[in-house]
Amino acid sequence: QVQLQQWGAGLLKPSETLSLTCAVNGGSFSLYHWNWIRQPPGKGLEWIGEIDHSGSTNYAPSLKSRVTISVDTSKKQFSLKLSSVTAADTAVYYCARTHHNWIDPWGQGSQVTVSS
Amino acid sequence: DIQMTQSPSSLSASVGDRVTITCRASQSISSFLNWYQQRPGKAPELLIYATSSLQSGVPSRFSGSGSGTDFTLTISSLQPEDFATYYCQQSFSMPLTFGGGTNVEIK
Repeated sequence: QVQLQQWGAGLLKPSETLSLTCAVNGGSFSLYHWNWIRQPPGKGLEWIGEIDHSGSTNYAPSLKSRVTISVDTSKKQFSLKLSSVTAADTAVYYCARTHHNWIDPWGQGSQVTVSS
Repeated sequence: DIQMTQSPSSLSASVGDRVTITCRASQSISSFLNWYQQRPGKAPELLIYATSSLQSGVPSRFSGSGSGTDFTLTISSLQPEDFATYYCQQSFSMPLTFGGGTNVEIK
């Protein structure tokens, strides 16, 4: 049973870089794609991007200029960096696995607040 | 990008009611449509994948149907634990996109 454990800084100032990491416990790492998804307060889900074990990535066009997703297969971890954050980036950020063509499971979520 | 439109955005229903939520894609996505349930303060959980396949452990009162651009999630008899927000999501093409969500509230 795979579990995702995520962590990272929760409070940022505008223009700083958001950094989150997700560890995959149990199951295969190389067979799947690994995603970051966010949810602004009171709003819906927004897909940020994904990476596979080789480092191949896909990003949401709206965030592509500011997003970097990287992978460390030796640690079974993947990470998100989002640069030049603003208040609009305040959200709960989730890591999640793509299993075939659906997203399951999800991490517990990390609240990230951007405030001066 | 493929736009996913859910309706209604919210609904009030009673325990035992039959509930139907619809999801429309801006272009054909074949059967690449998934549904998630999110309870307050929790991460979303996969409910139905590939339009109509029930995720392991999900009660049989949940069902999904559709193809192409129009999809439906049905709860045959609403239970107290079903009050939550439901999201559809297409996996036909990148970027992955979600519907805006349907909040199912207690009447």
